[in-house]
Amino acid sequence: EIVLTQSPDTLCLSPGERATLSCRASQSFSSNYLAWHQQKPGQAPRLLIYATSNRATGIPDRFSGSGSGTDFTLTISRLEPEDFAVYYCLQYGSSPFTFGGGTKVEI
Amino acid sequence: EVQLVESGGGLVQPGGSLRLSCEASGFTFSSFKMNWVRQAPGKGLEWVSYITSDSSTIYYADSVKGRFTISRDNAKNSLYLQMNSLRAEDTAVYYCAREFGNWGQGTLVTVSS
Repeated sequence: EIVLTQSPDTLCLSPGERATLSCRASQSFSSNYLAWHQQKPGQAPRLLIYATSNRATGIPDRFSGSGSGTDFTLTISRLEPEDFAVYYCLQYGSSPFTFGGGTKVEI
Repeated sequence: EVQLVESGGGLVQPGGSLRLSCEASGFTFSSFKMNWVRQAPGKGLEWVSYITSDSSTIYYADSVKGRFTISRDNAKNSLYLQMNSLRAEDTAVYYCAREFGNWGQGTLVTVSS
């Protein structure tokens, strides 16, 4: 099983600042199968990034993804008020598919 | 517009069974892989099960293997999750997801006596 470890657990930032979220895997896997989701309280997750660096439909370009092997990063270039949420990485290349524990981005 | 609507959740006693449904619309259901993902209260996301478009390949998380069964009916644009031998730790909101790109709003399953 590929274990995904996200850091930090919580990121305290202000609107306009840059956010850098990390997702580290216990073993290397194809970057074609790494996604990032955003979840706000009481809502379903929303796909932001798939295949490490591809923005999903309708996702603003302030969101970007990068990485390979075991280290992946989600960057939010300038935080907007609506970006304060929990972010999860997901690997879906090999079963069991696994999510990271999440990073909460808060003000 | 892609829509996924889950139903079938509720309160069930430990050891009991429930069958969740996910009705899909707005896309060609028979062309897409589908997943079930759950989220326990106040916790993170946990992938539960996966099924290919033609049901030829199915995967389960170890935590549900042997107790849960995923299936689909492409003629009815529907995905199912049969949950047997339910435990307290199965208490969660259950989401269906189209290849992780589109998600339903979830249905709450509570396992308690």
